[in-house]
Amino acid sequence: DSGVTQTPKHLITATGQRVTLRCSPRSGDLSVYWYQQSLDQGLQFLIQYYNGEERAKGNILERFSAQQFPDLHSELNLSSLELGDSALYFCASSVGGENIQYFGAGTRLSVL
Amino acid sequence: AQSVTQPDIHITVSEGASLELRCNYSYGATPYLFWYVQSPGQGLQLLLKYFSGDTLVQGIKGFEAEFKRSQSSFNLRKPSVHWSDAAEYFCAVVNTGNQFYFGTGTSLTVIP
Repeated sequence: DSGVTQTPKHLITATGQRVTLRCSPRSGDLSVYWYQQSLDQGLQFLIQYYNGEERAKGNILERFSAQQFPDLHSELNLSSLELGDSALYFCASSVGGENIQYFGAGTRLSVL
Repeated sequence: AQSVTQPDIHITVSEGASLELRCNYSYGATPYLFWYVQSPGQGLQLLLKYFSGDTLVQGIKGFEAEFKRSQSSFNLRKPSVHWSDAAEYFCAVVNTGNQFYFGTGTSLTVIP
């Protein structure tokens, strides 16, 4: 168990809908990262937050947004969902300056 | 730009045989390198990391990896594979902004 908690484990929704994925980092970790894993794109970095502030942005679509709350949990919001958004979404956390990231078990999103 | 190449999409080995998974990276400075393992339905678990120093690094579960700057490689090895090692293996490089770049992964099948 990495100590990173992601909910829900599975999410099934329809095209055009909006969903929110939640991540609780390991105790004491200030940084949260979001990744998308799909069969055709592999594991892609989406965005990083550090202590509530956006720190780095990767291949994140404009339809997607994230935030990190004062208690350090993070949410990834996906809107106007398309079939191609179906993927595993992982959250990872790290202490901050440390480069080791610990991954959650992921949320599997199916857009029908 | 940073990138990671894992040339082998899928590898099959017999239980008890030795294993080597290849990883080549592209990064301008001294890289921070990682190997992660992903079991079916699970998140990514850190196997080992290289930051600096000894180029042969030991990880969990009997894995080791050797950093070779001249070949831009960071290959993962295990002397004797166990059936429980069957999983997906990811090599990653991280930049100074703590952004991870993952390879496309190597799927390992272990036959009895």
